[in-house]
Amino acid sequence: QVQLKESGPGLVQPSETLSLTCTVSGFSLTSYSVSWVRQPSGKGPEWMGRMWYDGDTAYNSALKSRLSISRDTSKNQVFLKMNSLQTDDTGTYYCTRDNDDYFDYWGQGVMVTVSS
Amino acid sequence: DIVLTQSPALAVSLGQRATISCRASQSVSISRYNLMHWYQQKPGQQPKLLIYRASNLASGIPARFSGSGSGTDFTLTINPVQADDIATYYCQQSRESPPTFGGGTKLELK
Repeated sequence: QVQLKESGPGLVQPSETLSLTCTVSGFSLTSYSVSWVRQPSGKGPEWMGRMWYDGDTAYNSALKSRLSISRDTSKNQVFLKMNSLQTDDTGTYYCTRDNDDYFDYWGQGVMVTVSS
Repeated sequence: DIVLTQSPALAVSLGQRATISCRASQSVSISRYNLMHWYQQKPGQQPKLLIYRASNLASGIPARFSGSGSGTDFTLTINPVQADDIATYYCQQSRESPPTFGGGTKLELK
């Protein structure tokens, strides 16, 4: 069955870089795109960016200068790197499978706190 | 970016109908496609797809959930509401990039 699982540090220092990994199973990264979506506590989700099935990427312009998404298809993994983290980057980070224009499967999420 | 506006909360009695609305700042429809989707999120869990393209039930979702709307105004209906439906509901548009979400409507018991 389709599964996505995020992994990475739960605590990041201000101004440091966040690195997260999404490991997928039950589908191919060359057939489906994967997005990263984050959600501050008590607020609505925010789309961050996408790794297209063909290897191209797309980013939310609000984050583009700080964000990089890559993948390793041999390991079924998609990576997120975001630099210059601040306290308002605190929240839960999810990876999702994109089915055309909606997100049909979500990982369980990883809580990231930006604090010294 | 397209802004999606939802009422923050809705109180409903078990067994009654709940109608949750989402208004977009511009049309999210292209010809016959209404690019609005709905998700349910319970505390401590990830969002779960309920309805895609305004009115299509996602796999495994009970038929008491339904969606409607076009252009800028969309509705998620739950009828009848069951205790397991107490959650926060989000709309999401895919008409333009970036995909955006509403602020969520928290369904509460009356």
